[in-house]
Amino acid sequence: DVKVTQSSRYLVKRTGEKVFLECVQDMDHENMFWYRQDPGLGLRLIYFSYDVKMKEKGDIPEGYSVSREKKERFSLILESASTNQTSMYLCASSSHGNAKAKNIQYFGAGTRLSVL
Amino acid sequence: SQQGEEDPQALSIQEGENATMNCSYKTSINNLQWYRQNSGRGLVHLILIRSNEREKHSGRLRVTLDTSKKSSSLLITASRAADTASYFCATDASGFNKFYFGSGTKLNVKP
Repeated sequence: DVKVTQSSRYLVKRTGEKVFLECVQDMDHENMFWYRQDPGLGLRLIYFSYDVKMKEKGDIPEGYSVSREKKERFSLILESASTNQTSMYLCASSSHGNAKAKNIQYFGAGTRLSVL
Repeated sequence: SQQGEEDPQALSIQEGENATMNCSYKTSINNLQWYRQNSGRGLVHLILIRSNEREKHSGRLRVTLDTSKKSSSLLITASRAADTASYFCATDASGFNKFYFGSGTKLNVKP
């Protein structure tokens, strides 16, 4: 089974801190994604990556950056955390693979971040 | 934005009843998927329907797609308390694995 692991389930940080959220997948997937989920807003795409060292902005990249130095790991960085970044953060991966497989995203359990 | 929107936002039914959720989207799509999320957890893929398909089944799940109306429905038959979760539709128009998720339908199945 595909496993997507997010390093922390819960995280509490202070305003202005630099925050790293880590995500690792074990299925050799090319694509990786970071979303944030807020009540009533669904999932919004922050950044995604379709290959090592490649990154693309999603719909809400402001205040975030990402790093993909290895295929299995995709990191989300909050350069200077703010209270409006308090949210549930979800990482996902998918394969370029065959026509069917590449369309399915596999999610981690999520990191609930609180910025005080 | 071509984000999908689910309807209703919340649904409460008795065990054994059928649950129907709807999804509408704005632009042409390659495929549409449904995901499930248990409280406080990540999303799990349920079923995918391609733009040239009209109906698909998987166990107790039935998905329909009407591209002329830009809408889809998810039917869960003979619901169980364990089906209690939020259900999201996701559309992929870019062909680049970039998905748009709706805000979800929260289903509560009472035992």
